Amino acid sequence: DSGVTQTPKHLITATGQRVTLRCSPRSGDLSVYWYQQSLDQGLQFLIQYYNGEERAKGNILERFSAQQFPDLHSELNLSSLELGDSALYFCASSGQGTTNSPLHFGNGTRLTVT
Amino acid sequence: DQQVKQNSPSLSVQEGRISILNCDYTNSMFDYFLWYKKYPAEGPTFLISISSIKDKNEDGRFTVFLNKSAKHLSLHIVPSQPGDSAVYFCAASIQGAQKLVFGQGTRLTINP
Repeated sequence: DSGVTQTPKHLITATGQRVTLRCSPRSGDLSVYWYQQSLDQGLQFLIQYYNGEERAKGNILERFSAQQFPDLHSELNLSSLELGDSALYFCASSGQGTTNSPLHFGNGTRLTVT
Repeated sequence: DQQVKQNSPSLSVQEGRISILNCDYTNSMFDYFLWYKKYPAEGPTFLISISSIKDKNEDGRFTVFLNKSAKHLSLHIVPSQPGDSAVYFCAASIQGAQKLVFGQGTRLTINP
């Protein structure tokens, strides 16, 4: 158990809809990362927050947004969903704001857009 | 632009033998490399890392080798055990930076 909790585990929705994925980091970790894994692809970095502030941005679409709340949990919001957004979405946390300390991943949310 | 590549989607090895997983990278700025292991329905878990100031790092049955001139790293598992069957991801970053760049993964199957 990594200590990182992601909900829900599975999500099925229709094109055009909006969903929210939630992540609770390990106790004491200030940094939260979001990654997307599409079929047979590696994990693509989306965005990172550190102690409530956006720290780094990757290949995140404008239809996607995220935030980290004062209690350090994070939410990833995906809107105007398209079939191609179907993927596994992973959240990871670390104590530091850099990747020098290994990331601890949650078990992911599997999003299916129909 | 795939900066980190794992060219073998799958690898099958007999129990007790050595498993060698390979990874190539293109960005010469990368100076910190990691291997993650992933079981089905779970998130990736950290396995071992290496800084570019080293060419080898060992942790029990797992050894990572780094060849900077070739921009290549490999993970050796000796001896391979059935529990090692998983998908292995190579990842790279620039130390102090905020993001890891992952390869596509290699599915390792250990046969009894």
